[in-house]
Amino acid sequence: QVQLKESGPGLVQPSQTLSLTCTVSGFSLTSYNVHWVRQPPGKGLEWMGRMRYNGDTSYNSALKSRLSISRDTSKNQVFLKMNSLQTDDTGTYYCTRDRGAAIDYWGQGVMVTVSS
Amino acid sequence: DIQMTQSPASLSASLGETVSIECLASEDIYNNLAWYQQKPGKSPQLLIYYASSLQDGVPSRFSGSGSGTQYSLKINSLESEDAATYFCLQDSEYPWTFGGGTKLELK
Repeated sequence: QVQLKESGPGLVQPSQTLSLTCTVSGFSLTSYNVHWVRQPPGKGLEWMGRMRYNGDTSYNSALKSRLSISRDTSKNQVFLKMNSLQTDDTGTYYCTRDRGAAIDYWGQGVMVTVSS
Repeated sequence: DIQMTQSPASLSASLGETVSIECLASEDIYNNLAWYQQKPGKSPQLLIYYASSLQDGVPSRFSGSGSGTQYSLKINSLESEDAATYFCLQDSEYPWTFGGGTKLELK
């Protein structure tokens, strides 16, 4: 079955770089798009960016200068790197898949706290 | 960016009642609208896509409607398990944007 699982550090210091990995199973990264979405504690959802099935990327303009999404199809992994982290980057980061229309599968999410 | 204004922010209803949640887009999103349910500590679950298509496995008491800039999610015959926060998502153009969420409480 389709699964996505995020992994990465739970704590990042301010001004440092966040690196997250999404490991997928049950589908191919060369057939489906994968998106990153985040959610600050107790708040709403923010779309961050997308790795398209053909390797193209799109980013939220509000994050574009700090964000990079890449992949390793041989390992079924999608990576997120975001630099210059601040406290308002604290939240749960989700790896998700779209079904061609809307996100249909979400990972369990990984909580990232930005604090010294 | 397309702004999604969701209302109400919170809602309290009784078991068996029917409720509606609205999302207003800042421009035409051509039915590219999805609805999600999120329970505390859990990932969102897809309910409705393309404005009115019911995701497999979702109870038929959930329905979506709308067009252009105005969309709604209707939940008939509320059950206790429906207590959750609901979000809309426009996937018409990048950046995709979410509504602010509606917290549904059962009396």
